[in-house]
Amino acid sequence: GAVVSQHPSRVICKSGTSVKIECRSLDFQATTMFWYRQFPKKSLMLMATSNEGSKATYEQGVEKDKFLINHASLTLSTLTVTSAHPEDSSFYICSARESTYEQYFGPGTRLTVT
Amino acid sequence: EDQVTQSPEALRLQEGESSSLNCSYTVSGLRGLFWYRQDPGKGPEFLFTLYSAGEEKEKERLKATLTKKESFLHITAPKPEDSATYLCAVQRGGSEKLVFGKGTKLTVNP
Repeated sequence: GAVVSQHPSRVICKSGTSVKIECRSLDFQATTMFWYRQFPKKSLMLMATSNEGSKATYEQGVEKDKFLINHASLTLSTLTVTSAHPEDSSFYICSARESTYEQYFGPGTRLTVT
Repeated sequence: EDQVTQSPEALRLQEGESSSLNCSYTVSGLRGLFWYRQDPGKGPEFLFTLYSAGEEKEKERLKATLTKKESFLHITAPKPEDSATYLCAVQRGGSEKLVFGKGTKLTVNP
């Protein structure tokens, strides 16, 4: 149980284009979903928290117009990186929470912006 | 500000050589402390949640303990497949946010 998927697992895009990453909870309904970013040899940094049907809450320093989050249903959240630049290249990971406190993580998406 | 410090940064063990990983934390009103395992290029895999000082949880060769200031992840007779980065995170009461440490990279040699 508690399986979270992400798609795509890897994506390469050109600078200035937008990229959408999907996060799905496969066997439970996620009341809350989270988006993280992880740099090499660094800790996971929370970018935003979203609840189904509500606007996402962004962490300080995260540009909400650049990282668009949509939590359309209890099993799907999307992160769109708009007008991507090389500095946006990173490992993006989503997590989902049901009714307990544990967050279950997806396998991550490696974004490379050329 | 909530903080999590994990030590050591890296640990090399021989197969069967037991050891412990440390997670020191400062948080106002701890709701829970979480341990995750992360393999290279993958998302974190949930291991344990500890809620109060004195609590212990076990899973196979892993045992997690909690005090008011730190948590330990004890690894008994590790195997090469236990090699991974182990992450500790805390959650404050009233918050959804997990604050992660930088992790301990464990390598178990056969």
